[in-house]
Amino acid sequence: AQSVTQPDIHITVSEGASLELRCNYSYGATPYLFWYVQSPGQGLQLLLKYFSGDTLVQGIKGFEAEFKRSQSSFNLRKPSVHWSDAAEYFCAVTMEYGNKLVFGAGTILRVKS
Amino acid sequence: DAMVIQNPRYQVTQFGKPVTLSCSQTLNHNVMYWYQQKSSQAPKLLFHYYDKDFNNEADTPDNFQSRRPNTSFCFLDIRSPGLGDAAMYLCATSRDPDSYEQYFGPGTRLTVT
Repeated sequence: AQSVTQPDIHITVSEGASLELRCNYSYGATPYLFWYVQSPGQGLQLLLKYFSGDTLVQGIKGFEAEFKRSQSSFNLRKPSVHWSDAAEYFCAVTMEYGNKLVFGAGTILRVKS
Repeated sequence: DAMVIQNPRYQVTQFGKPVTLSCSQTLNHNVMYWYQQKSSQAPKLLFHYYDKDFNNEADTPDNFQSRRPNTSFCFLDIRSPGLGDAAMYLCATSRDPDSYEQYFGPGTRLTVT
């Protein structure tokens, strides 16, 4: 069965420090990959996506993600975290016609000053 | 700005009392989705419409229904809400089933008393 794993439920980083959120997927082929961010009580905002081509993709708010086929991973990174980045981050994948998104369980990011 | 709008943002209903949540979009997208997101969990797809074609997920309870009277609007009806139906309900759209990118509304937080 298709699945998405985000192994870290919570991560705390200091403001200005670098960040990496992990995402692994289980599929038979390369899926379409997404990272979404959700602030408390809000909907989901798309940070970035990978469909094909360059495996390092740039997104909004200074985020980037790297697709590694050999590791079935799509980790999200940011070189310097801001307090406003505190939120929950979801990795998601789809392969199916009909665009069914399968989400990971999410990682809650806390930023300490 | 083109967007996905959900009303109301917060809804309180009584146990067993039918409730309807509303979603509208100005993106003129062909596909509309409803997700349920319980506290500290990932969003879970309930069903989606491709134009007027309704697609129900296999594990969506019969208590949940949906209507799409036109391209712009989609409704989620919960016929007899139980305490377990308390959640955030997210509406999303995509241009076509194979466009793969979904745009989310801000969500409606449903409380069942």
